[in-house]
Amino acid sequence: GAVVSQHPSWVICKSGTSVKIECRSLDFQATTMFWYRQFPKQSLMLMATSNEGSKATYEQGVEKDKFLINHASLTLSTLTVTSAHPEDSSFYICSARDRLAPESRETQYFGPGTRLLVL
Amino acid sequence: GEDVEQSLFLSVREGDSSVINCTYTDSSSTYLYWYKQEPGAGLQLLTYIFSNMDMKQDQRLTVLLNKKDKHLSLRIADTQTGDSAIYFCAESKGYQKVTFGTGTKLQVIP
Repeated sequence: GAVVSQHPSWVICKSGTSVKIECRSLDFQATTMFWYRQFPKQSLMLMATSNEGSKATYEQGVEKDKFLINHASLTLSTLTVTSAHPEDSSFYICSARDRLAPESRETQYFGPGTRLLVL
Repeated sequence: GEDVEQSLFLSVREGDSSVINCTYTDSSSTYLYWYKQEPGAGLQLLTYIFSNMDMKQDQRLTVLLNKKDKHLSLRIADTQTGDSAIYFCAESKGYQKVTFGTGTKLQVIP
């Protein structure tokens, strides 16, 4: 089946530093990837939609200068949390849509998540 | 806008059936999903159903959709301790964004 990986799986950083999270589709090509954020005991909130070769589309309330998204290839999207603060501590999950999936099948494949702790 | 709601917690005994319920507000949803999240892990797609279907069965899982009432349910037969997790209901319209429910924590008592 389709596999999506994330790296790192967890990261601890000091306040003010930037952290880059990678999302890779391992056995399929993804023109579209999604970045979600999940707070403890809460649901997933979509942060942005990342399209290969173009600018990401951010959801309302998500600062694009704070959360930089780059989708430079069909298998890799990165999320950079710039000047991280403790309130950015969260579980970040990416998902990817297989560009070759039949239009009749709507699925997103989720990565295992990256736990970020900002001290 | 879209809104997806679930009860927060369900406790069942091992071997019993579990039924997790979900309601949604967007009548134009075309896909409805059930995801499973184990502690500290990402999401695993369990099953999904098109809005023009009213039932889908996959081994121990049965999904029922009442489109008129905008109600979706997931039944897990012969629930096992390994089924303990958080279950998210979600909906989308075509290839647009997926909106997740609040999640139902399923606790299976041995």
